[in-house]
Amino acid sequence: RKEVEQDPGPFNVPEGATVAFNCTYSNSASQSFFWYRQDCRKEPKLLMSVYSSGNEDGRFTAQLNRASQYISLLIRDSKLSDSATYLCVVKGYSSASKIIFGSGTRLSIRP
Amino acid sequence: DTEVTQTPKHLVMGMTNKKSLKCEQHMGHRAMYWYKQKAKKPPELMFVYSYEKLSINESVPSRFSPECPNSSLLNLHLHALQPEDSALYLCASSQASGGTFYEQYFGPGTRLTVT
Repeated sequence: RKEVEQDPGPFNVPEGATVAFNCTYSNSASQSFFWYRQDCRKEPKLLMSVYSSGNEDGRFTAQLNRASQYISLLIRDSKLSDSATYLCVVKGYSSASKIIFGSGTRLSIRP
Repeated sequence: DTEVTQTPKHLVMGMTNKKSLKCEQHMGHRAMYWYKQKAKKPPELMFVYSYEKLSINESVPSRFSPECPNSSLLNLHLHALQPEDSALYLCASSQASGGTFYEQYFGPGTRLTVT
Protein backbone atom coordinates (compact mmCIF):
# COMPACT_ATOMS: atom_id res chain seq x y z
CA ARG A 1 0.00 0.00 0.00
CA LYS A 2 1.31 3.48 -0.88
CA GLU A 3 1.97 5.85 2.02
CA VAL A 4 -0.30 8.50 0.51
CA GLU A 5 -2.92 7.69 -2.11
CA GLN A 6 -5.12 9.81 -4.30
CA ASP A 7 -7.58 8.91 -7.03
CA PRO A 8 -5.79 10.15 -10.16
CA GLY A 9 -9.06 11.08 -11.88
CA PRO A 10 -9.67 12.85 -14.11
CA PHE A 11 -12.76 14.28 -12.51
CA ASN A 12 -14.69 16.01 -15.27
CA VAL A 13 -17.49 18.18 -13.86
CA PRO A 14 -19.63 21.05 -15.17
CA GLU A 15 -19.08 24.61 -14.05
CA GLY A 16 -21.01 25.36 -10.88
CA ALA A 17 -20.91 21.79 -9.62
CA THR A 18 -19.59 20.66 -6.26
CA VAL A 19 -16.73 18.20 -6.34
CA ALA A 20 -14.84 16.42 -3.59
CA PHE A 21 -11.78 14.25 -3.47
CA ASN A 22 -9.93 12.38 -0.78
CA CYS A 23 -6.36 11.58 0.08
CA THR A 24 -5.65 8.57 2.28
CA TYR A 25 -2.50 8.10 4.33
CA SER A 26 -1.09 4.99 5.93
CA ASN A 27 0.98 6.39 8.82
CA SER A 28 -1.24 7.11 11.80
CA ALA A 29 1.52 9.32 13.27
CA SER A 30 1.13 11.83 10.42
CA GLN A 31 0.65 15.34 11.80
CA SER A 32 0.72 17.91 9.03
CA PHE A 33 -1.58 17.96 6.04
CA PHE A 34 -1.89 20.31 3.09
CA TRP A 35 -3.62 20.69 -0.24
CA TYR A 36 -1.76 22.19 -3.19
CA ARG A 37 -2.93 22.84 -6.73
CA GLN A 38 -0.63 22.52 -9.68
CA ASP A 39 -1.35 23.83 -13.15
CA CYS A 40 0.29 22.20 -16.16
CA ARG A 41 4.04 22.96 -16.27
CA LYS A 42 3.81 25.26 -13.26
CA GLU A 43 4.87 24.97 -9.65
CA PRO A 44 2.59 23.67 -6.89
CA LYS A 45 0.73 26.48 -5.14
CA LEU A 46 -0.53 26.16 -1.58
CA LEU A 47 -4.30 25.93 -1.49
CA MET A 48 -4.81 25.34 2.20
CA SER A 49 -3.45 23.69 5.30
CA VAL A 50 -5.75 21.08 6.83
CA TYR A 51 -6.51 21.46 10.51
CA SER A 52 -8.00 18.91 12.88
CA SER A 53 -11.17 20.95 13.22
CA GLY A 54 -11.51 21.37 9.46
CA ASN A 55 -11.19 24.66 7.69
CA GLU A 56 -12.86 26.66 4.98
CA ASP A 57 -11.57 29.27 2.58
CA GLY A 58 -14.25 30.68 0.33
CA ARG A 59 -15.49 27.87 -1.92
CA PHE A 60 -12.94 25.40 -0.57
CA THR A 61 -13.36 23.21 2.51
CA ALA A 62 -10.76 20.83 3.87
CA GLN A 63 -11.41 18.12 6.44
CA LEU A 64 -9.24 15.68 8.35
CA ASN A 65 -10.56 12.30 9.43
CA ARG A 66 -7.95 10.77 11.72
CA ALA A 67 -9.96 7.65 12.50
CA SER A 68 -10.13 6.66 8.84
CA GLN A 69 -6.82 8.31 7.97
CA TYR A 70 -7.80 10.57 5.15
CA ILE A 71 -8.12 14.22 4.29
CA SER A 72 -10.68 15.64 1.92
CA LEU A 73 -11.09 18.69 -0.27
CA LEU A 74 -14.50 20.01 -1.26
CA ILE A 75 -14.88 22.62 -3.97
CA ARG A 76 -18.26 24.33 -4.26
CA ASP A 77 -19.58 26.31 -7.23
CA SER A 78 -16.62 25.18 -9.34
CA LYS A 79 -15.10 27.60 -11.85
CA LEU A 80 -13.26 26.92 -15.08
CA SER A 81 -10.13 28.25 -13.36
CA ASP A 82 -10.32 25.42 -10.81
CA SER A 83 -9.12 23.00 -13.51
CA ALA A 84 -5.77 21.74 -12.22
CA THR A 85 -4.12 18.83 -10.49
CA TYR A 86 -4.70 18.76 -6.74
CA LEU A 87 -1.89 17.33 -4.62
CA CYS A 88 -2.10 16.37 -0.98
CA VAL A 89 0.98 16.55 1.23
CA VAL A 90 1.41 14.59 4.45
CA LYS A 91 4.17 14.70 7.04
CA GLY A 92 4.82 13.16 10.44
CA TYR A 93 5.82 15.11 13.54
CA SER A 94 9.53 14.38 13.85
CA SER A 95 12.00 16.32 11.75
CA ALA A 96 13.19 13.01 10.32
CA SER A 97 9.77 11.96 9.09
CA LYS A 98 9.19 12.10 5.37
CA ILE A 99 7.35 14.77 3.41
CA ILE A 100 5.09 12.76 1.15
CA PHE A 101 3.19 14.07 -1.85
CA GLY A 102 0.22 12.20 -3.20
CA SER A 103 0.31 11.51 -6.92
CA GLY A 104 -2.42 14.10 -7.51
CA THR A 105 -6.03 14.20 -8.66
CA ARG A 106 -6.71 15.82 -12.01
CA LEU A 107 -9.81 18.04 -12.13
CA SER A 108 -11.29 19.39 -15.33
CA ILE A 109 -14.20 21.84 -15.20
CA ARG A 110 -16.24 22.06 -18.38
CA PRO A 111 -18.38 25.08 -19.41
CA ASP B 1 5.62 38.72 -0.07
CA THR B 2 5.39 34.96 -0.62
CA GLU B 3 7.78 34.82 -3.53
CA VAL B 4 10.48 32.28 -4.13
CA THR B 5 12.58 32.97 -7.21
CA GLN B 6 14.61 30.51 -9.24
CA THR B 7 17.16 30.97 -12.00
CA PRO B 8 17.52 30.01 -14.73
CA LYS B 9 13.99 29.20 -15.96
CA HIS B 10 15.35 26.76 -18.54
CA LEU B 11 18.70 25.00 -18.78
CA VAL B 12 20.10 22.68 -21.41
CA MET B 13 23.37 21.01 -20.53
CA GLY B 14 25.56 18.23 -21.81
CA MET B 15 26.57 15.28 -19.70
CA THR B 16 30.07 16.68 -19.14
CA ASN B 17 28.96 20.18 -18.16
CA LYS B 18 28.92 21.75 -14.72
CA LYS B 19 26.07 24.13 -13.98
CA SER B 20 24.25 25.53 -10.96
CA LEU B 21 20.61 26.23 -10.17
CA LYS B 22 19.83 29.13 -7.87
CA CYS B 23 16.96 29.80 -5.50
CA GLU B 24 16.23 32.86 -3.39
CA GLN B 25 13.55 33.76 -0.84
CA HIS B 26 13.03 36.85 1.29
CA MET B 27 10.27 35.60 3.56
CA GLY B 28 12.59 34.99 6.50
CA HIS B 29 12.09 31.25 6.16
CA ARG B 30 14.79 29.09 7.70
CA ALA B 31 13.96 25.84 5.89
CA MET B 32 14.63 25.40 2.19
CA TYR B 33 14.08 22.41 -0.07
CA TRP B 34 15.03 21.01 -3.45
CA TYR B 35 12.55 18.81 -5.31
CA LYS B 36 12.71 17.02 -8.64
CA GLN B 37 9.53 16.57 -10.65
CA LYS B 38 9.12 14.43 -13.75
CA ALA B 39 6.14 14.86 -16.08
CA LYS B 40 2.81 13.64 -14.67
CA LYS B 41 4.46 12.69 -11.35
CA PRO B 42 4.43 14.42 -7.97
CA PRO B 43 7.49 16.30 -6.72
CA GLU B 44 10.16 14.10 -5.13
CA LEU B 45 12.11 15.55 -2.23
CA MET B 46 15.87 15.68 -2.77
CA PHE B 47 17.35 17.83 0.02
CA VAL B 48 16.25 19.84 3.04
CA TYR B 49 18.22 22.63 4.68
CA SER B 50 17.22 23.81 8.11
CA TYR B 51 18.96 26.88 9.55
CA GLU B 52 21.49 26.65 6.72
CA LYS B 53 22.44 23.09 7.64
CA LEU B 54 21.71 20.07 5.49
CA SER B 55 19.19 18.06 7.46
CA ILE B 56 17.84 15.62 4.89
CA ASN B 57 19.45 14.04 1.82
CA GLU B 58 17.05 11.58 0.23
CA SER B 59 19.85 9.34 -1.10
CA VAL B 60 20.45 11.67 -4.02
CA PRO B 61 23.39 10.78 -6.32
CA SER B 62 26.54 12.81 -5.71
CA ARG B 63 26.30 14.42 -9.13
CA PHE B 64 23.80 16.73 -7.39
CA SER B 65 25.45 18.89 -4.75
CA PRO B 66 23.39 21.35 -2.69
CA GLU B 67 24.72 24.45 -1.01
CA CYS B 68 23.11 26.98 1.30
CA PRO B 69 25.35 30.08 1.41
CA ASN B 70 22.98 32.01 3.68
CA SER B 71 19.43 31.94 4.98
CA SER B 72 17.99 33.41 1.76
CA LEU B 73 19.88 31.45 -0.86
CA LEU B 74 19.96 27.84 -1.96
CA ASN B 75 22.02 26.44 -4.81
CA LEU B 76 22.08 23.10 -6.54
CA HIS B 77 25.35 22.29 -8.29
CA LEU B 78 25.12 19.86 -11.17
CA HIS B 79 27.94 17.82 -12.63
CA ALA B 80 28.10 14.84 -14.99
CA LEU B 81 24.33 14.48 -15.19
CA GLN B 82 22.52 11.78 -17.11
CA PRO B 83 19.67 12.24 -19.59
CA GLU B 84 17.27 10.70 -17.05
CA ASP B 85 18.02 13.67 -14.76
CA SER B 86 16.03 15.87 -17.14
CA ALA B 87 13.11 17.22 -15.08
CA LEU B 88 11.63 20.29 -13.44
CA TYR B 89 13.69 21.23 -10.39
CA LEU B 90 11.67 23.03 -7.76
CA CYS B 91 12.90 25.00 -4.79
CA ALA B 92 10.64 25.62 -1.81
CA SER B 93 10.90 27.36 1.54
CA SER B 94 9.00 27.27 4.81
CA GLN B 95 9.23 28.36 8.40
CA ALA B 96 11.33 26.02 10.48
CA SER B 97 10.53 25.05 14.01
CA GLY B 98 11.45 21.92 15.91
CA GLY B 99 8.83 19.33 15.17
CA THR B 100 6.20 21.50 13.50
CA PHE B 101 6.07 21.33 9.72
CA TYR B 102 4.80 24.48 8.06
CA GLU B 103 3.41 25.05 4.60
CA GLN B 104 5.97 25.27 1.83
CA TYR B 105 6.08 27.94 -0.85
CA PHE B 106 7.46 26.88 -4.20
CA GLY B 107 9.47 28.74 -6.77
CA PRO B 108 8.55 28.49 -10.47
CA GLY B 109 11.20 25.86 -11.09
CA THR B 110 14.06 25.33 -13.51
CA ARG B 111 13.27 23.07 -16.44
CA LEU B 112 16.45 21.08 -17.02
CA THR B 113 17.26 19.12 -20.15
CA VAL B 114 20.38 16.93 -20.20
CA THR B 115 21.60 16.04 -23.68
